[in-house]
Amino acid sequence: RKEVEQDPGPFNVPEGATVAFNCTYSNSASQSFFWYRQDCRKEPKLLMSVYSSGNEDGRFTAQLNRASQYISLLIRDSKLSDSATYLCVVFGPGDTGFQKLVFGTGTRLLVSP
Amino acid sequence: DAGVTQSPTHLIKTRGQHVTLRCSPISGHKSVSWYQQVLGQGPQFIFQYYEKEERGRGNFPDRFSARQFPNYSSELNVNALLLGDSALYLCASSYQGTNSPLHFGNGTRLTVT
Repeated sequence: RKEVEQDPGPFNVPEGATVAFNCTYSNSASQSFFWYRQDCRKEPKLLMSVYSSGNEDGRFTAQLNRASQYISLLIRDSKLSDSATYLCVVFGPGDTGFQKLVFGTGTRLLVSP
Repeated sequence: DAGVTQSPTHLIKTRGQHVTLRCSPISGHKSVSWYQQVLGQGPQFIFQYYEKEERGRGNFPDRFSARQFPNYSSELNVNALLLGDSALYLCASSYQGTNSPLHFGNGTRLTVT
């Protein structure tokens, strides 16, 4: 089982739509969670951290369910500029106990006019 | 303020050759991590250095090595290149360890022929 799993998509949605991505992680000892955004052939950039209580940043809402070990990202009122790959990232102990960030494969979002 | 800078931006090598990739972190950041991103996949962790010491290593062969200098810049070395080493190599810096938000450089795109 992969440490972090995401549906690769692509998710094709019209402008203004609401879209949600889920991500599951395998290590129950994981401590911190993030969503990164990556545009085509660019570097990943931090979109938002994910807190247990859930958090919102404008049109973006992230939630964490520790019991079920999944993270979600909700995008409301999608814009053309939201088209990108969204990477789920989990921080926690690796095989040797070293704390590391593990990236999912990413979910591709395409917003059309 | 300068972000994370990587050099070179593109590189073409042949199988069996050696390559050195360079990274300068954001000023004040003491941690540098290296990731390999193959097309269609999320970044895979290679190394993390903090205060010039290796703090973690991913599941990569011994052909991959790295170091961090007193000014916190870093080099990633890959020996005996294989076709499968073709990827985008990303360097990320953070203030402390990997629990801090990562700031990625633009990456070095390595093609092995």
